[in-house]
Amino acid sequence: GNSVTQMEGPVTLSEEAFLTINCTYTATGYPSLFWYVQYPGEGLQLLLKATKADDKGSNKGFEATYRKETTSFHLEKGSVQVSDSAVYFCALSDSGAGSYQLTFGKGTKLSVIP
Amino acid sequence: DGGITQSPKYLFRKEGQNVTLSCEQNLNHDAMYWYRQDPGQGLRLIYYSQIVNDFQKGDIAEGYSVSREKKESFPLTVTSAQKNPTAFYLCASRASGEDEKLFFGSGTQLSVL
Repeated sequence: GNSVTQMEGPVTLSEEAFLTINCTYTATGYPSLFWYVQYPGEGLQLLLKATKADDKGSNKGFEATYRKETTSFHLEKGSVQVSDSAVYFCALSDSGAGSYQLTFGKGTKLSVIP
Repeated sequence: DGGITQSPKYLFRKEGQNVTLSCEQNLNHDAMYWYRQDPGQGLRLIYYSQIVNDFQKGDIAEGYSVSREKKESFPLTVTSAQKNPTAFYLCASRASGEDEKLFFGSGTQLSVL
């Protein structure tokens, strides 16, 4: 079945540091890949997505590239801010059997300190 | 403002009691989902519905029930058969043919007294 593995947290960085959160996946077919972000006490929001190999998703300074050869979708940001403190989830889509579902990783908590 | 509303934000369940979590959306989305979030476990799918009057079990449906009588509403009942109900519950929706983006509510934290 499908699965998503992302790096264990928590991750603590100083403001303006470089961020990488690793994500690898296992899937049949050609899934779309997503990063969602969850701020404390809230639901998830879509951060970025990529629908095919070599696509790069980007939003709010975050980027991730769909790497089919390494089955990866690592999240990066060049200079993090305190406001980026949140839990980040990598996910893939599954449109098999006529339905649509997302499979999520376990989440990585990021804390950015001033 | 369009969106998904979950209520209540906090809910407490007594032993042997059924409780119902509300999820309402005014986005005119066909598909709706319920996820359970446990610390360090990510999100797990409980039930989903692709159209009114139809729903399917997800990965962890045991101890839960749903209904989809209206397009806007997808309530989740946590029954007494669910022995470990303490978790954060998230409702989501998606438009058919949409670009696979899920819209999430702000969640309900359920705790056992």
